[in-house]
Amino acid sequence: ETGVTQTPRHLVMGMTNKKSLKCEQHLGHNAMYWYKQSAKKPLELMFVYNFKEQTENNSVPSRFSPECPNSSHLFLHLHTLQPEDSALYLCASSQDLSGGALQETQYFGPGTRLLVL
Amino acid sequence: EDQVTQSPEALRLQEGESSSLNCSYTVSGLRGLFWYRQDPGKGPEFLFTLYSAGEEKEKERLKATLTKKESFLHITAPKPEDSATYLCAVRPAGNQFYFGTGTSLTVIP
Repeated sequence: ETGVTQTPRHLVMGMTNKKSLKCEQHLGHNAMYWYKQSAKKPLELMFVYNFKEQTENNSVPSRFSPECPNSSHLFLHLHTLQPEDSALYLCASSQDLSGGALQETQYFGPGTRLLVL
Repeated sequence: EDQVTQSPEALRLQEGESSSLNCSYTVSGLRGLFWYRQDPGKGPEFLFTLYSAGEEKEKERLKATLTKKESFLHITAPKPEDSATYLCAVRPAGNQFYFGTGTSLTVIP
């Protein structure tokens, strides 16, 4: 409904597994974002891509690896995760990062609920 | 240090009882302030973008205002379907976005 889809919606993985989260936007946007949302904490910006180029990596552990093959798709590759990585992972997109507030308004997907055992 | 604080943390209103949610911020060079609504188990839904002091935006029972230090989300005559968590986010200079922890609103019929 928002034009941003995420799969899977729910994921349970062990600490030794490797999995990937997928995000696709149908809004014609050029910037995409990964956020982590944990209970009682504000959304934490993890990665930012603008025109397929990574512009921000907010000190995210290397067990999280993003990939942006084109402006419509964003992946988050997961490996050797810890239980504290359990959270809701949200993808968002915006027109771009051109400096205008309207262009930088983000639209979110429904999220992937991740549980690490 | 860039910071966003939302208050109150939780708010219970009777249907029709108007109130306001607050988002105060300290950022270097505000480029935009955003309000979102989030329902349980869902992603945030965009409501408003504000980018200059004095600006106001309205949508149905919601009205957002912005000053140099804070933003208010006014809810007029709320209905039970307005129950949700309301999030505020700011965009300072640099490619960062900072969110507050949200206000959980419950509207009782």
